[in-house]
Amino acid sequence: DVKVTQSSRYLVKRTGEKVFLECVQDMDHENMFWYRQDPGLGLRLIYFSYDVKMKEKGDIPEGYSVSREKKERFSLILESASTNQTSMYLCASSDNSGANEQFFGPGTRLTVL
Amino acid sequence: GQNIDQPTEMTATEGAIVQINCTYQTSGFNGLFWYQQHAGEAPTFLSYNVLDGLEEKGRFSSFLSRSKGYSYLLLKELQMKDSASYLCASHNDYKLSFGAGTTVTVRA
Repeated sequence: DVKVTQSSRYLVKRTGEKVFLECVQDMDHENMFWYRQDPGLGLRLIYFSYDVKMKEKGDIPEGYSVSREKKERFSLILESASTNQTSMYLCASSDNSGANEQFFGPGTRLTVL
Repeated sequence: GQNIDQPTEMTATEGAIVQINCTYQTSGFNGLFWYQQHAGEAPTFLSYNVLDGLEEKGRFSSFLSRSKGYSYLLLKELQMKDSASYLCASHNDYKLSFGAGTTVTVRA
C-alpha cells in the first residue's frame, strides 16, 4: 500500500526558532513536493525535488529551504519561523510514469507563536 | 503563471447530483486532476483527464475540454460521506497547480 508519512501531525514553535518538517515515502518515487495549505488559497507549492540532492523552487519558496539526501526522505526547513508561516504543511510524492499522480502525507499543522 | 478557478462552496441534498466546475489558464498543460479532501485529512486522488471528454468512475465522473480550458467533476447519488473539499489541479511537467478548492456540503 502506498504510503507517505510526516514526522508530526501537530507542531507548536516560537518565532525565530528553526523548524524541521520531515517526510518519508516508501514507494521509491523520484519526485517529492512540499505544499502549504491555507483557507481560501488552496495548496501552494513551496519546493520540489525530482532526484536526490536536487531541488527546485515552487511558487512560494521565501523563508523556506529543503534537503533531500536520500531518495525516500524530503525535509522542509524553516530557518527562522515567523507567525505568517502558521499553516498546514503537506508533503507529496510521485513517480515519472504517465500521470505523475501525487500521493499525499497526512499533513503537519504548524503553529508559530 | 497558473490560474485555476473553482467555486468556493456548494450545497446539495442527499441523493442529488452536483457539478463542480473548474477553469484553468496554464502553460505546459498535460492534464487535469481532481482530488477529494475530507476535513483534517490528506487529499486523495479521484480522477485524471488527459483527453477531451467524459470519464466515468462509479458515482463520480470528470470532464475535460482542453480547447476551452474547462473541466468539471460530477458527483451523482450524493451521500453524506461526500461532504468534503474537492480540489482541481492542472498538471504541468512534474508539478501540479491547485485551485483553492470547492467545499461541498451534503444535507439530509
